Amino acid sequence: DAKTTQPPSMDCAEGRAANLPCNHSTISGNEYVYWYRQIHSQGPQYIIHGLKNNETNEMASLIITEDRKSSTLILPHATLRDTAVYYCIVPYSEKLVFGKGTKLTVNP
Amino acid sequence: ETGVTQTPRHLVMGMTNKKSLKCEQHLGHNAMYWYKQSAKKPLELMFVYNFKEQTENNSVPSRFSPECPNSSHLFLHLHTLQPEDSALYLCASSQGQGASNYGYTFGSGTRLTVV
Repeated sequence: DAKTTQPPSMDCAEGRAANLPCNHSTISGNEYVYWYRQIHSQGPQYIIHGLKNNETNEMASLIITEDRKSSTLILPHATLRDTAVYYCIVPYSEKLVFGKGTKLTVNP
Repeated sequence: ETGVTQTPRHLVMGMTNKKSLKCEQHLGHNAMYWYKQSAKKPLELMFVYNFKEQTENNSVPSRFSPECPNSSHLFLHLHTLQPEDSALYLCASSQGQGASNYGYTFGSGTRLTVV
């Protein structure tokens, strides 16, 4: 079973920031948080991952709370092509186990 | 193109057919995975290979037979499938098996329809 909890769906206006939350209250000290997304009927795409510190790359930013029990993926300027299912994953027995994710819809 | 190539992209097969799905990666990764994604369901991990050796089989029916001849290639041999096996089959690879340290790179998948 997935070790994370995410809202099933979210909407965002094009050009605005999309903030996707994730709860992982049972995370242990050395476990990373990974974010992937899956555009309809394609393979999941890696976005970002982090352990304790906030991370940023060309796709997104990852904000992890100090207690590490939750995190937020931020897409700073969402576009229509960011419409996808976003998965927050804490590896289970060293494997990526996918939950249902958050269906993000970016509206024009 | 992610570096993990799956062929074919689409496959329609009868229940008595035998077919194979192919996955190839040239990323220098040592671990490879098969996932199944049925309609409106999360991805399910089927098989894990590390350095060509199968390290995990998640109670997958024997009509699915994986083969990993080397670290760059992974096959999924299919025979006497059922209509409920229709799904998107995804291959992934990682540098090492420990997901805590290595993210996975996924292929685009094979859309399988069993008729």
